[in-house]
Amino acid sequence: EVQLVESGGGLVQPGRSLRLSCAASGFIFDDYAMHWVRQAPGRGLEWVSGISGNGGSLGYADSVKGRFTISRDNAKNSLYLQMNSLRAEDTAFYYCIKGPWSGYFLSYFYSWGQGILVTVSS
Amino acid sequence: DIQMTQSPSSLSASVGDRVTITCRASQGISNYLAWYQQKPGKVPKLLIYEASTLQSGVPSRFSGSGSGTEFTLTLGSLQPEDVATYFCQNYNSAPYTFGPGTKVDIK
Repeated sequence: EVQLVESGGGLVQPGRSLRLSCAASGFIFDDYAMHWVRQAPGRGLEWVSGISGNGGSLGYADSVKGRFTISRDNAKNSLYLQMNSLRAEDTAFYYCIKGPWSGYFLSYFYSWGQGILVTVSS
Repeated sequence: DIQMTQSPSSLSASVGDRVTITCRASQGISNYLAWYQQKPGKVPKLLIYEASTLQSGVPSRFSGSGSGTEFTLTLGSLQPEDVATYFCQNYNSAPYTFGPGTKVDIK
């Protein structure tokens, strides 16, 4: 059974940094791309970033480009999201998601973690 | 970026009614369209991908159609457990974009 467990969320001041982690199990981690999708409380869904199975291809939403960095450690079955220069509008639940194949292109999302809340506020 | 719109933004229907939600893309996305269901307080769940392929385990009363720029999600017979918000997603190209959602409840 696929399990995705996010950690590292919490309350952070504007301009500061936070690193999210996602521990994956139940599948061959480096065979699949991984993604982060976020949802502000009571709002819609926004794809944040994705990374291919071997880590060689990645992409970002314009809203986070230059501030967020996605990475993965296939030896540890873990996905990360380094978030710098955080803004109030980054406040959201962040979901770790397993992609349907190794490339991060043409990705829909069928395995979601439970999500973790990041609150950016002074 | 490809913009996704949905209509209506909300609807109320009776149990057993046929319900249709429309999703439009700002440019053609072939059939790279997915639909998700999100119940209150829960994680989104994939219902349909490739515009019309039902994800394993999803009841057959759900169906999808369309290609290019216009897509529909149909609930053939609304059930109480279908109360949720439904989102469409373009996955033709990154950045992947979602529609704003359609909230469905029971009249």
